[in-house]
Amino acid sequence: DIQMTQSPSTLSASVGDRVTITCRASQSISSWLAWYQQKPGKAPKLLIYKASSLESGVPSRFSGSGSGTEFTLTISSLQPDDFATYYCQQYNSHSTFGPGTKVEIK
Amino acid sequence: EVQLVESGGVVVQPGGSLRLSCAASGFTFDDYAMHWVRQAPGKGLEWVSLINWDGGYTYYADSVKGRFTISRDNRKNSLYLQMNSLRAEDTALYYCAKSNGGYDNPLGYWGQGTLVTVSS
Repeated sequence: DIQMTQSPSTLSASVGDRVTITCRASQSISSWLAWYQQKPGKAPKLLIYKASSLESGVPSRFSGSGSGTEFTLTISSLQPDDFATYYCQQYNSHSTFGPGTKVEIK
Repeated sequence: EVQLVESGGVVVQPGGSLRLSCAASGFTFDDYAMHWVRQAPGKGLEWVSLINWDGGYTYYADSVKGRFTISRDNRKNSLYLQMNSLRAEDTALYYCAKSNGGYDNPLGYWGQGTLVTVSS
């Protein structure tokens, strides 16, 4: 099975900061990677699919990149609504989620 | 509007069984694969199982293989998860999620979850 890791596990940042989260797969998953945002008490929300495609309705400050085994999610200018936990998911071989990255207020 | 509503979560004793349901509406149910994903209290997301559009293909996480069975009834627009031999570590909020296409697609819509607690 494919294992996913994320770094950092927690990230402290301020409104307006540029934020980058890294996700790594234990083997190549081509571009079959998605990113989700989850806020406390809420279901996850799809942000990015196929590594870099923005889901409809998601603000353009979110972007994704990478292929193979290393991927990044970037928030170009952090907004108050963006403080949440972010998960990557591979769907190249069934599905696996990363452990999550919590973005908290600095 | 896509809606996924899970039900069936309760407190159950270790070794017990439970069946979760997910009622889907707002889309053509039998056009899409469906998944179950769980989240233990205070923990991250764990993918549990998937089923393709007609139920002919299913797959499970190692942690539940042999104990859980996913199924669907396309006439009723419903997804199910039969959970047997439950363990304390199965305690979690269980989400039903709609694939964006076949089973090898991201999860574009999620329900609000149903809570399963395994405790004596």
